[in-house]
Amino acid sequence: EIVLTQSPATLSVSPGEGVTLSCRGSDSVGTNLAWYQQKPGQAPRLLIYDASTRATGIPARFSGSGSGTDFTLTITGLQSEDFAVYYCQQYNHWPPLTFGGGTKVEI
Amino acid sequence: EEQLVESGGGLVQPGGSLRLSCSASGFNLRSYEMNWVRQMPGKGLEWISYMSSSGSSVYYADSVKGRFTISRDNAKNLVFLQMSNLSAEDTAVYYCARQPPITMVDWGTFEMWGQGTLVTVSS
Repeated sequence: EIVLTQSPATLSVSPGEGVTLSCRGSDSVGTNLAWYQQKPGQAPRLLIYDASTRATGIPARFSGSGSGTDFTLTITGLQSEDFAVYYCQQYNHWPPLTFGGGTKVEI
Repeated sequence: EEQLVESGGGLVQPGGSLRLSCSASGFNLRSYEMNWVRQMPGKGLEWISYMSSSGSSVYYADSVKGRFTISRDNAKNLVFLQMSNLSAEDTAVYYCARQPPITMVDWGTFEMWGQGTLVTVSS
């Protein structure tokens, strides 16, 4: 089973700032990595797949990079609606499909 | 509008059973693989089950294997999760999630989610 470790657990930032979230795998997943955003009381939303491809309708301020075991999600110019929990997920070796523990981006 | 709507959650006693349903609308369910993902209160996301578009392949997380059964009725645009021998550790919001077709580069991701249904296991 591929274990994904996200860091940090919590990020405190101000609107307008940029942030970089990290996701590290216990083994290589190639570029078969996705990022999701989840707001309180809502279902997750797919942001990024194939490590760096934005899903339909996702703003350009969200970008992903990385391959192998190390990945980052960068959000530039944080807007109020971006404060949420972000999860990475690998789909290279499954089952099981696995998620990271999440990073909360808060004000 | 493409949509997934879960139902069937509620309060169940330890050792009990429950069947969740996921109704798909706005798209042809038979073209997609489907999953169930759960989220325990205040915790992260946990994938628990997958079924191929035809129903010929199924997978389960170890945490639910032997207790949960995924199924689907493509003609009725429904996906089910039969849960048995439930314990407090199964208390969670259960989401059904659509997976892109195997021909897509994002196969393995969850491109669409329902709003979730809460299952509470308690006496």
